[in-house]
Amino acid sequence: AQSVTQLDSQVPVFEEAPVELRCNYSSSVSVYLFWYVQYPNQGLQLLLKYLSGSTLVKGINGFEAEFNKSQTSFHLRKPSVHISDTAEYFCAVSDEGFKTIFGAGTRLFVKA
Amino acid sequence: NAGVTQTPKFQVLKTGQSMTLQCAQDMNHEYMSWYRQDPGMGLRLIHYSVGAGITDQGEVPNGYNVSRSTTEDFPLRLLSAAPSQTSVYFCASIGKSSSGANVLTFGAGSRLTVL
Repeated sequence: AQSVTQLDSQVPVFEEAPVELRCNYSSSVSVYLFWYVQYPNQGLQLLLKYLSGSTLVKGINGFEAEFNKSQTSFHLRKPSVHISDTAEYFCAVSDEGFKTIFGAGTRLFVKA
Repeated sequence: NAGVTQTPKFQVLKTGQSMTLQCAQDMNHEYMSWYRQDPGMGLRLIHYSVGAGITDQGEVPNGYNVSRSTTEDFPLRLLSAAPSQTSVYFCASIGKSSSGANVLTFGAGSRLTVL
């Protein structure tokens, strides 16, 4: 069985500061890893994904994530956040089938 | 393309009532699933389907039924609503990206309140 743990439920940060949202997963098989973002009162959209190959994955809006197999982590980073990045971020894992399991989410608050 | 369409967007039910949340996708995706989103719990998988005529249970299936008679539609039925089913429900259609991984495309969500 797969599981996802997002280590921070809320992350407040000032505008233009760097941010890291942490995600750890467990799985007995090879997995695909994802970050999705949900802006207020909207549905979820894909931010980035790791399938294989390079462990550093770049996504939309300047976000990137690094896959660390030994630590079973897939932390999300952005070097300089904007007010518009305020949203909830979800880490997710799926196997080679389609079943996708989500973490509990991290609320990012960007303050002016 | 409309993507994934969910109806209704909002619904209020009384305990014991039944209802169906509709989900339709026009992307010819074989895989579809239903999630519920609750504060502090992320998205939890209710039921999923790998194709017409095939469904299976997810993490929290109790109190919900699904069917998949066509590729396009995947309705979620609440036979006897309970207050614990107050939530936001998302339908997701799953398609292969150009890299081969399953990427979820979500509907806009349906907010259900059970009194």
